[in-house]
Amino acid sequence: QQQVKQSPQSLIVQKGGISIINCAYENTAFDYFPWYQQFPGKGPALLIAIRPDVSEKKEGRFTISFNKSAKQFSLHIMDSQPGDSATYFCAPMRGRDDKIIFGKGTRLHILP
Amino acid sequence: GAVVSQHPSRVICKSGTSVKIECRSLDFQATTMFWYRQFPKKSLMLMATSNEGSKATYEQGVEKDKFLINHASLTLSTLTVTSAHPEDSSFYICSARNLNTEAFFGQGTRLTVV
Repeated sequence: QQQVKQSPQSLIVQKGGISIINCAYENTAFDYFPWYQQFPGKGPALLIAIRPDVSEKKEGRFTISFNKSAKQFSLHIMDSQPGDSATYFCAPMRGRDDKIIFGKGTRLHILP
Repeated sequence: GAVVSQHPSRVICKSGTSVKIECRSLDFQATTMFWYRQFPKKSLMLMATSNEGSKATYEQGVEKDKFLINHASLTLSTLTVTSAHPEDSSFYICSARNLNTEAFFGQGTRLTVV
């Protein structure tokens, strides 16, 4: 099922710092690039998503950067907060109605 | 956002028994529902996709007779783990969507088979 490579596997960032998580994919048919956030013991929730017609999308402290030629997209969390500590998954899809196959996840820990 | 309710949140059952997990979309009609399994500190693994009124499509390696999925209405899908064994212990998560929405996830069900 793994069609994506997510890195790093885990990340520790100081409060106020920038957290960066990367996702590389192979399938050029993907055209919807979301990031999901999951807290322990809970289901994941859509955090932010981008389509390939733009290179960047920002929502509050969260930004997606998309590099079509490199087949990569990344999540940037600005001014990281302890409440951002969670596991983040990328899940590129062929349209929003495709089945969701998750990357292996990145466990983010923000130090207070 | 839309709400997907999963029940129960935790269940303990004895080996050899069956357990049913419900997934309901509370404020929208879910034409498609997905079931995932997640082991500790691992990613979500898609088990099957179900469309309302039709048979579920199982991912490779998932036993359809072991994990029975029913999607009888636009707001309810059920996953039944039959003849459960300790190795079936896991976190099961459902997801629901229709053509106009993103996928929304339930809060998960922690299954422990003893």
